Amino acid sequence: ETGVTQTPRHLVMGMTNKKSLKCEQHLGHNAMYWYKQSAKKPLELMFVYSLEERVENNSVPSRFSPECPNSSHLFLHLHTLQPEDSALYLCASSQDSTNGRGYTFGSGTRLTVV
Amino acid sequence: QKEVEQNSGPLSVPEGAIASLNCTYSDRGSQSFFWYRQYSGKSPELIMSIYSNGDKEDGRFTAQLNKASQYVSLLIRDSQPSDSATYLCAVNRGGFQKLVFGTGTRLLVSP
Repeated sequence: ETGVTQTPRHLVMGMTNKKSLKCEQHLGHNAMYWYKQSAKKPLELMFVYSLEERVENNSVPSRFSPECPNSSHLFLHLHTLQPEDSALYLCASSQDSTNGRGYTFGSGTRLTVV
Repeated sequence: QKEVEQNSGPLSVPEGAIASLNCTYSDRGSQSFFWYRQYSGKSPELIMSIYSNGDKEDGRFTAQLNKASQYVSLLIRDSQPSDSATYLCAVNRGGFQKLVFGTGTRLLVSP
């Protein structure tokens, strides 16, 4: 398998549920990201991991909890979400360098909170 | 002021025409610039990157960068209906790569 794989593709969860989103990259990249994409809004950066260390947390509510056990895997643990958290959650990876080569995105998880 | 600004569109062009998509950014320290294409219901796909002033061509796509004016554009020649999508401009402010995205411009190419 190649590229960046996200699972599940679709998720419906209640506000009291706990669920996790999974991302796996097969590109040998050393940085991984979670972005949130809501309608009519730009992609919002949530978390950045470089070499398995979290280097950025963009004031994300604590009901979102990231985990990066190794450079190929990234998780987003969800609990007690709100309906406004419904969005497309995108994982991306890149090879960190000052030149910047852009990201490769996964297919995303469409999350609906009911 | 938004960090990365794009006209949301839609930009409508006939098949075969040149589509011109524009983007401005606020941080003069920005060093890398990217254009992503996103089809409805799909994830963004990188189509062009540009790092220095001037033009960069790749097939039917040309990216243009003017750092003095803080402006980056994407030209699509011989537009096809399959080019109909939302085009996202993204800017890296340098150092560790952290892209800031615009809201995107929706392009409609009519047959």
